[in-house]
Amino acid sequence: GQNIDQPTEMTATEGAIVQINCTYQTSGFNGLFWYQQHAGEAPTFLSYNVLDGLEEKGRFSSFLSRSKGYSYLLLKELQMKDSASYLCAVTDSNYQLIWGAGTKLIIKP
Amino acid sequence: GAGVSQSPSNKVTEKGKDVELRCDPISGHTALYWYRQSLGQGLEFLIYFQGNSAPDKSGLPSDRFSAERTGGSVSTLTIQRTQQEDSAVYLCASSVTSGTGANVLTFGAGSRLTVL
Repeated sequence: GQNIDQPTEMTATEGAIVQINCTYQTSGFNGLFWYQQHAGEAPTFLSYNVLDGLEEKGRFSSFLSRSKGYSYLLLKELQMKDSASYLCAVTDSNYQLIWGAGTKLIIKP
Repeated sequence: GAGVSQSPSNKVTEKGKDVELRCDPISGHTALYWYRQSLGQGLEFLIYFQGNSAPDKSGLPSDRFSAERTGGSVSTLTIQRTQQEDSAVYLCASSVTSGTGANVLTFGAGSRLTVL
């Protein structure tokens, strides 16, 4: 079966760095997405990786290793507004999106 | 429109009643998805439409659920004889195209359904 694993919840301190991991087992691979979802709101797109390596976008970076079926989202200089759920999703060989259950990130002052 | 619009934003209904949820995607977006999200849970795929192709209904949980997309634009998700376990937020998303890996979805704000 197809599976995406993420930690259920993480806690970090304002101003610090946090890394949210995502591992996947899917039938084929055509890209990996990270979305951010604040409580009670819709998910919004953060990043897309299809090749191995690190993609940096401001305070957020996303890394992909296709051989390991592994990605992480790195958030630097954490702010209180970064408290949200972070969803990992993979496009499989049929271009279907497979979603992880999301990681709830709690930022403490 | 500028974004994906969903209505109603909140719906409270009695068990056994039918409900209709509407989604108006971004103009020009050919792909449209419906997802369900229960409190604190991830996204559960329900159905997706791509252009004039037959929809992928593989995620619909039962035959009480159906959806249509008229004229390749507005979509309606219908739940018949609602049950308490249908209570969730129903999210609609659209994208420019499907069939490529770099398919970024834009989500609507969702319709929160509560079945009493």
